[in-house]
Amino acid sequence: NAGVMQNPRHLVRRRGQEARLRCSPMKGHSHVYWYRQLPEEGLKFMVYLQKENIIDESGMPKERFSAEFPKEGPSILRIQQVVRGDSAAYFCASSEAGSSYNEQFFGPGTRLTVL
Amino acid sequence: AQSVSQHNHHVILSEAASLELGCNYSYGGTVNLFWYVQYPGQHLQLLLKYFSGDPLVKGIKGFEAEFIKSKFSFNLRKPSVQWSDTAEYFCAVIHSGNTGKLIFGQGTTLQVKP
Repeated sequence: NAGVMQNPRHLVRRRGQEARLRCSPMKGHSHVYWYRQLPEEGLKFMVYLQKENIIDESGMPKERFSAEFPKEGPSILRIQQVVRGDSAAYFCASSEAGSSYNEQFFGPGTRLTVL
Repeated sequence: AQSVSQHNHHVILSEAASLELGCNYSYGGTVNLFWYVQYPGQHLQLLLKYFSGDPLVKGIKGFEAEFIKSKFSFNLRKPSVQWSDTAEYFCAVIHSGNTGKLIFGQGTTLQVKP
């Protein structure tokens, strides 16, 4: 049973370009979460999605960041016009259901470097 | 705002030494508590979790943690560490009945010397 998949594992972008990060949840999981880990910091919640719905985006920056989880295909975290401060590790997690009692399983992360 | 604080950012131990990593959270309501571990080059894995009941919970690889409600703490312990325990450890909290939002501590890097 494959775990949470993320790609790419490493992404290099120049300032002003777009970054698209993909996350495929574990089989049978319909809840996806995105977290960001800045250097020397812990993981910070960004957004929680179910299929075709954004449930909680309280951790998403107001501009340039968007996320989706379509009916078919992976969840996408999109960062437009990247800046150096976006350099971080972005982790995706998935769970079977959305309650606080359901374990979140994490992917390996995408390390974004903005030049 | 709710927060999770891990007191030790970097811990260095020799093999067979005992380990205790501190974790405190700030939230007055009911919480579920987790410890995650990230081994070098790998993704985060759940070590153990506490929802209710016995405040002393046992996890994988000989780890345990004790929930002390009066101290808002959930410290991680292991009686005798091994070189393979070298990793980064994260404490996390989620409000019971809430959905999705895990709140993480800053992480503690543990280095075990052989």
